[in-house]
Amino acid sequence: GENVEQHPSTLSVQEGDSAVIKCTYSDSASNYFPWYKQELGKRPQLIIDIRSNVGEKKDQRIAVTLNKTAKHFSLHITETQPEDSAVYFCAASKGTAGKSTFGDGTTLTVKP
Amino acid sequence: NAGVTQTPKFQVLKTGQSMTLQCAQDMNHNSMYWYRQDPGMGLRLIYYSASEGTTDKGEVPNGYNVSRLNKREFSLRLESAAPSQTSVYFCASSSQGGNTEAFFGQGTRLTVV
Repeated sequence: GENVEQHPSTLSVQEGDSAVIKCTYSDSASNYFPWYKQELGKRPQLIIDIRSNVGEKKDQRIAVTLNKTAKHFSLHITETQPEDSAVYFCAASKGTAGKSTFGDGTTLTVKP
Repeated sequence: NAGVTQTPKFQVLKTGQSMTLQCAQDMNHNSMYWYRQDPGMGLRLIYYSASEGTTDKGEVPNGYNVSRLNKREFSLRLESAAPSQTSVYFCASSSQGGNTEAFFGQGTRLTVV
């Protein structure tokens, strides 16, 4: 089955700096890569996703890049703010009948 | 739209007791999932239902059973609870299985003593 590895497990940055979280996946057939943000005590919510036919996608301060050859994808957050502090999960999945495999999460702390 | 609704939000069980976690979605989604989340670990899939009438095992199915009652509802049952099942449980749904965004319920915090 699919295996998703996520690094780092914790990340601390100063407000205004950039943050990068990286994930690798094992199944070359995976074609959908979402990122979820989970605030303390809350449910995970999608912040951005990318499909295998696209190399990069941006949404304001958030971007995701995908390298299908190397089987890795990354989340980039620019101009970080304290409210970006949360746990971020990457995931990989394939097919309409499939399900997502999640990474173990990255706890991001943005210091004011 | 309420989205995905789980009940209960909190539960304490004694070892050996049974219980059913309920989940309902009002987004007309085909696929539904049950995950567990333990400290320092990601979301691990227990069971999923790609469409009404089908269920499949995920990564950690032992000790659990599920029922896809209809398109809206997907329940998770613990027949004989064990302390190792202490966790936060999330139900989720998506319109087209693994190809689309998953919407999560608010979670159930279960403690087995």
